[in-house]
Amino acid sequence: GAVVSQHPSRVICKSGTSVKIECRSLDFQATTMFWYRQFPKQSLMLMATSNEGSKATYEQGVEKDKFLINHASLTLSTLTVTSAHPEDSSFYICSARSGTTGDTQYFGPGTRLTVL
Amino acid sequence: QQQVKQSPQSLIVQKGGISIINCAYENTAFDYFPWYQQFPGKGPALLIAIRPDVSEKKEGRFTISFNKSAKQFSLHIMDSQPGDSATYFCAAHQGAQKLVFGQGTRLTINP
Repeated sequence: GAVVSQHPSRVICKSGTSVKIECRSLDFQATTMFWYRQFPKQSLMLMATSNEGSKATYEQGVEKDKFLINHASLTLSTLTVTSAHPEDSSFYICSARSGTTGDTQYFGPGTRLTVL
Repeated sequence: QQQVKQSPQSLIVQKGGISIINCAYENTAFDYFPWYQQFPGKGPALLIAIRPDVSEKKEGRFTISFNKSAKQFSLHIMDSQPGDSATYFCAAHQGAQKLVFGQGTRLTINP
């Protein structure tokens, strides 16, 4: 199957700082990438959808100025959490899809963000 | 209409038994129904998926049963093993639309 990586896997930062998370499709070109947030023992919550070279589409209630998403190439999308606060602590997961993967979204391993 | 309802929330099965997880949807335009398996601290991994033009799909010990008229689909895990202990999510989407996830089922297989 297609492989999606995320970096870093874990990050701890101080309140008020910004954190960047990278999502890469390793063996396919991802025309569309998705960013999810997952709280403990809960389902995945879609934050935004990004298409390569276009602005991301954010879900209702997600602050686009706080969660900056860039999909600059067909293999890389980044999520930047700006001015992070403790309530932003969560498990962030990206997924990717392309014409070659059809309808299937392949997920990355996730990034655990802890804001102190 | 965009919801996918998943049950049970948690499930305990003895080793060698059959695990069954059910999902129901309302949107008849959904045309792709994947199941994902997630281990603690990891991202979801695609397990098996089905389209509404077939009633059943089997891959190894995993089978999806699909009932289009009832708008329900289920995952059956045969000969359940302790290594199958994980959280399972059903999902659905239409065309290029976003995935809609069920609430998840925590499966525990007792040795």
